[in-house]
This record gives sequence, structure tokens and C-alpha cells, in this order.
Amino acid sequence: DAGITQSPRHKVTETGTPVTLRCHQTENHRYMYWYRQDPGHGLRLIHYSYGVKDTDKGEVSDGYSVSRSKTEDFLLTLESATSSQTSVYFCAISGTTGLAELESTDTQYFGPGTRLTVL
Amino acid sequence: AQSVTQLGSHVSVSEGALVLLRCNYSSSVPPYLFWYVQYPNQGLQLLLKYTSAATLVKGINGFEAEFKKSETSFHLTKPSAHMSDAAEYFCAGNFGNEKLTFGTGTRLTIIP
Repeated sequence: DAGITQSPRHKVTETGTPVTLRCHQTENHRYMYWYRQDPGHGLRLIHYSYGVKDTDKGEVSDGYSVSRSKTEDFLLTLESATSSQTSVYFCAISGTTGLAELESTDTQYFGPGTRLTVL
Repeated sequence: AQSVTQLGSHVSVSEGALVLLRCNYSSSVPPYLFWYVQYPNQGLQLLLKYTSAATLVKGINGFEAEFKKSETSFHLTKPSAHMSDAAEYFCAGNFGNEKLTFGTGTRLTIIP
């Protein structure tokens, strides 16, 4: 299962409160991603990271920020949660360790997901 | 714009019948293509992937997919459906960068 965990697995919060979701990996993968899954939309990329302190926006980044201070952890923060951010959030990883020329980013492996409800 | 389209948000087949889930892509350069399966309340699991080595790709659980450049398609098939195949299936493409573009998913229901 590529050694990916997400915490919390479920969270209910109120509009306007800050929320941080954590993705943790144990296999030193270079790339990490945050997606949200909503009915009729599939998975949409929020932000991704290509190394420690290196991040970039995805297609639905408004209202979200991320941080990656060490290889194994990628945090997603909702500064002020809104009802439209009620969703299931998935973390994914890709890229192998070791020599750069051996790294492959084509295949992503997913965590178990976090179900977030904003009331 | 590069995109992945899944035809049919819901597909129902009888147990033992052929499963066919459709995926088309839009891109001037063929992407790497993937099929993922998601069982209820779980994450996405990789079924199979096409990375230009062979056009017919075999995956887990008896699934396979054929890449057809002329039709810009990557349809997923299984000869005989099993009850345990009931899940949501996602097609995704990597268009030459570190990111995946997903289709909107197809929910497969198996009729006993």
C-alpha cells in the first residue's frame, strides 16, 4: 500500500475554523499530492510537492495552502473552512528514491482518504 | 486542452457477463494512461497502466485494457464479471508532467 497514511480519517468542523490534514509516507517518495473527490468531478488536484519546501498549485487551489518541511509529511491547510470544502481528500505519492535518473513520476499511489464535513 | 473522458457514469452488468468501461483521452501526444479502482470508503488502487511498452495491458483481478491511438481510447474490459468487481473505476492520464488528470469515474454495479 506504498506506506501512506492520512490523519484524521474523519473530521467535522464548523465554517470559519482552520483545519489541517496530514499525509505521512514512509518510503521517501519525492512527489506528494493532495486531491479532493466530489461526485461528478472525479479527483481534482489541489496542490502538489516535488521536494521539501517545493510546492505548486493544482487546478482547485483557492482556499487551500500546503507545507512540506520534511520528506515524509505533506500538510494541507484550510485557513477558514467553508461548506464548499466538504469533500473527501486523498493524498498520493510518486517518484522513487535513489538516483534521479531512475525516478518515475508516472504512477501515483493513494492514501486511504480523509472525509471532511464543514457545517 | 488535455483531458480524459469516461463515457457512462453508471454501468450495470450481470454476473458472468463482459465488463466494458470506456475511456477516451484528448491530447496531441499519447499520454501514459491508468485505470484505478475504488471500493467503498477506500482509497484508489492501481488496476493497470499503459506506458507505451505494449498496447494491450493486463492488470490485477482479471482486468485488461487496450490502448488504441487511432481512437484515442483506453477501454477497460473483463471477460466475466464477479460480484466483487462492484466499485467505482477511474481512468487517468499523465500528459508529460508530474500530474494526473482524472476522468469523472464510472460506478460499476453487478447484477446477481
